[in-house]
Amino acid sequence: GAVVSQHPSWVICKSGTSVKIECRSLDFQATTMFWYRQFPKQSLMLMATSNEGSKATYEQGVEKDKFLINHASLTLSTLTVTSAHPEDSSFYICSARKPGTGIETQYFGPGTRLLVL
Amino acid sequence: AQTVTQSQPEMSVQEAETVTLSCTYDTSESDYYLFWYKQPPSRQMILVIRQEAYKQQNATENRFSVNFQKAAKSFSLKISDSQLGDAAMYFCAYRSAGSNYQLIWGAGTKLIIKP
Repeated sequence: GAVVSQHPSWVICKSGTSVKIECRSLDFQATTMFWYRQFPKQSLMLMATSNEGSKATYEQGVEKDKFLINHASLTLSTLTVTSAHPEDSSFYICSARKPGTGIETQYFGPGTRLLVL
Repeated sequence: AQTVTQSQPEMSVQEAETVTLSCTYDTSESDYYLFWYKQPPSRQMILVIRQEAYKQQNATENRFSVNFQKAAKSFSLKISDSQLGDAAMYFCAYRSAGSNYQLIWGAGTKLIIKP
């Protein structure tokens, strides 16, 4: 199997606070994890690629100081939304690449709903 | 740059019948992978089926199969014996075979199952 967990599943916070979202690969080691943002009725938008032990690679238009990503171990990556504002409210999804032979598929966490008041 | 197009924003099918979801892509690469993911109302993305471009044989997973036409750059998903649990958003995705593991996503097709 390939199970990816995400915590918390949803969070409500006040404007100006920071929120940390954890992404864990439970039964495999993931050298690469991805963070996506999804707006209602839209496709996934890649925010950044997180490689274990190195700095994340951010997509164009994503503020790296706003969305801090840390991939400290082969099973854990975290996304911290700093000084959150209402426009940061969204559904955030992580995925982890399962290495091996053949297609190295991405497996997804269940997502985190963030509401900033 | 590669692109993925899903031209059907919404499809509906009667329960127990067969439905085909379309996906086309544009690439200049010869080696790549294609995926179909399902996102039910829970919003958990679930891998449905995957295909290596170098394989001529179409992938199948139980009631799900693909029609991979490499020359036409088409990758459609066929769902046989549709069930109520198949209702979801379906996303087609492309990935290069190189070291960049990023997925390029289509806009999605909402599948409605009529009981």
